[in-house]
Amino acid sequence: QVQVVESGGGVVQPGRSLRLSCAASGFNISPYGMHWVRQAPGKGLEWVAEIWYDGYNIYYEESVKGRFTITRDNSKNTVYLQMNSLRAADTAVYFCARARGGGDPNDAFDIWGQGTMVTVSS
Amino acid sequence: QSVLTQPPSASGTPGQRVTISCSGGYSNIGSNPVHWYQQLPGMAPKLLIARNDQRPSGVPDRFSGSKSGTSASLAISGLQSEDEAEYYCAAWDDSLSGWVFGGGTKLTGL
Repeated sequence: QVQVVESGGGVVQPGRSLRLSCAASGFNISPYGMHWVRQAPGKGLEWVAEIWYDGYNIYYEESVKGRFTITRDNSKNTVYLQMNSLRAADTAVYFCARARGGGDPNDAFDIWGQGTMVTVSS
Repeated sequence: QSVLTQPPSASGTPGQRVTISCSGGYSNIGSNPVHWYQQLPGMAPKLLIARNDQRPSGVPDRFSGSKSGTSASLAISGLQSEDEAEYYCAAWDDSLSGWVFGGGTKLTGL
């Protein structure tokens, strides 16, 4: 079964760090771009970060630049999101999603995980 | 304020046809394909339409997409109760070097 499963969410104080993981199964992530998308409580979807299949093309949403880092470990079939200097505004469900291809604009997000909740609160 | 603009809500009755619009600009919809996602309550999003008008395997042909200039539309014909969901459009934005989503349209009344 082709799927991705997120983990690593939790409650964290403002200014602290958290690392999310996205473990893929049923397919090899190597040829695929991978994304993180978040959804604040009661709000819409917001794209957060993307890493292309090659691991070199990496893009971030403006508000997380310099604080979040997306990486991939093809040997572990896993994608990560390192989140530093967390803010209350980062509180959301974080979804991992696979791009249909290597990661370019033609590639819709075709496989989504169930998400992991991140709550930033003192 | 989302870069892509969608109506916050839409309504219809079973069997009807409804259209959801998505308006953007030259740097996003005007230059790149639009993708549509369906999110049922409490669930993860699901790809509904890729590259403006392509239905992934398993998506009923009641769902169709189109694009013209800097706007796109999702049409749902023969509405069914299970279509009650939030619908999002998305596209790559060349100016932002990032992906942008519409604010979402909640389909109700079914």
